[in-house]
Formats: sequence, C-alpha cells, structure tokens
Amino acid sequence: GENVEQHPSTLSVQEGDSAVIKCTYSDSASNYFPWYKQELGKRPQLIIDIRSNVGEKKDQRIAVTLNKTAKHFSLHITETQPEDSAVYFCAAIGFMDSNYQLIWGAGTKLIIKP
Amino acid sequence: DSGVTQTPKHLITATGQRVTLRCSPRSGDLSVYWYQQSLDQGLQFLIQYYNGEERAKGNILERFSAQQFPDLHSELNLSSLELGDSALYFCASSVSETSGQYFGPGTRLTVT
Repeated sequence: GENVEQHPSTLSVQEGDSAVIKCTYSDSASNYFPWYKQELGKRPQLIIDIRSNVGEKKDQRIAVTLNKTAKHFSLHITETQPEDSAVYFCAAIGFMDSNYQLIWGAGTKLIIKP
Repeated sequence: DSGVTQTPKHLITATGQRVTLRCSPRSGDLSVYWYQQSLDQGLQFLIQYYNGEERAKGNILERFSAQQFPDLHSELNLSSLELGDSALYFCASSVSETSGQYFGPGTRLTVT
C-alpha cells in the first residue's frame, strides 16, 4: 500500500526567506497530492493540491511541484510571513483494501523567525 | 469556514463513559472521514463512509464505532472511554474519494 514520508519534521526560517517541505510516496499509481496547513488548535485547511498530469501549480506565494519519476512532491513558500507559522501536512491518494484512501505525512512544523 | 460542522466543540467526561460526536458534511459531499489528533501528533485516520456505507477503516479501536445516516450526517461513538482517548476529533468531507477533504472545526474531548 501507499506510504508517505515527509521531511523535515521541523523547519525554522527567517521571515522573508523561502521554505521548502518535501514528501515522498511509494505507490506509482497515486495521482492526487494535497497540502494542508494547520494552525495551533485549529482545523487542517487545504491550501493547494496537484494532480499527476501536471508538474507544478502556483497560488500566490505557495507552489507545489511534482516529480512522478522520483515519486516526490514539494511545497514551496516564498517571502515567508509570521502567519505562515503552522504545521503543514502532505498527503497522497493510494489504493488500499479495494478503496482509495488519503495517506498522510507526519507533518512539518514551520517556524518563521522575525 | 469549510462548510463542515461538528458538535459539540468541547466535551469533558469521565473514564468508562460513552459519548457521541456529530458531523454534518458540506452540501453535496458524499464522503465523510473521521480523524483523531492527540496533542502535538499527526492525523490518525479512523474511518470513512461514502453515501451511507463504510468504505475504509484505519486505526479505529473496537470501542469506537461510527455511522452515516441517510441525510449524510455522521456520528462517531466512543465507549468505555480511557484517559488516552483525550484528543481532538476531526470530521472531514469530500465530494469524491479522490478529491480534497474539507475539515470541520473539531471536537475536543477530555477524559478525566
């Protein structure tokens, strides 16, 4: 079945710098890769997603890239701001036990230093 | 606001008790998912329903059960509660099993 690994577990960057979080997946048939942001005590929010028929998607300061050959996808945040501090989760759709399931990474705590 | 609602927001109960958490999905979404998140931990998938039928099970304890009703709202039942069951319980919904999930605000369960 699908397995998703996420790195790093904690990332500290200076305000204004860029942040990159990387995830690898195991099932080459996976075709949907969402990213979620969870602020302390709040719900996870879908911030961007990508399907396997494209290699990159951008939305203002955030972008996601997908390398199907290497089976990894990354979240890029540019010009980081204090409000970007949160835990970020990646996920990938896998086919397990005759059903599609979203398999989650363990999360990355992003700290933006002022 | 994701359009997914959960009640109650907070629940404090004693060990050995039983509670029911309720979730209403976004309008038009047929899939409902339940997750458990303990303090500073990741999201643990519990169970998924699609249009009233159970579709997938994760690490759900036998003391826990869920169902999805004809109006698509879902309930998660937790029984014989233990201290370790204290956590945030999230419900999410999606229009299909291969699309993004939208999360409710969660129910914070405290077992004393």
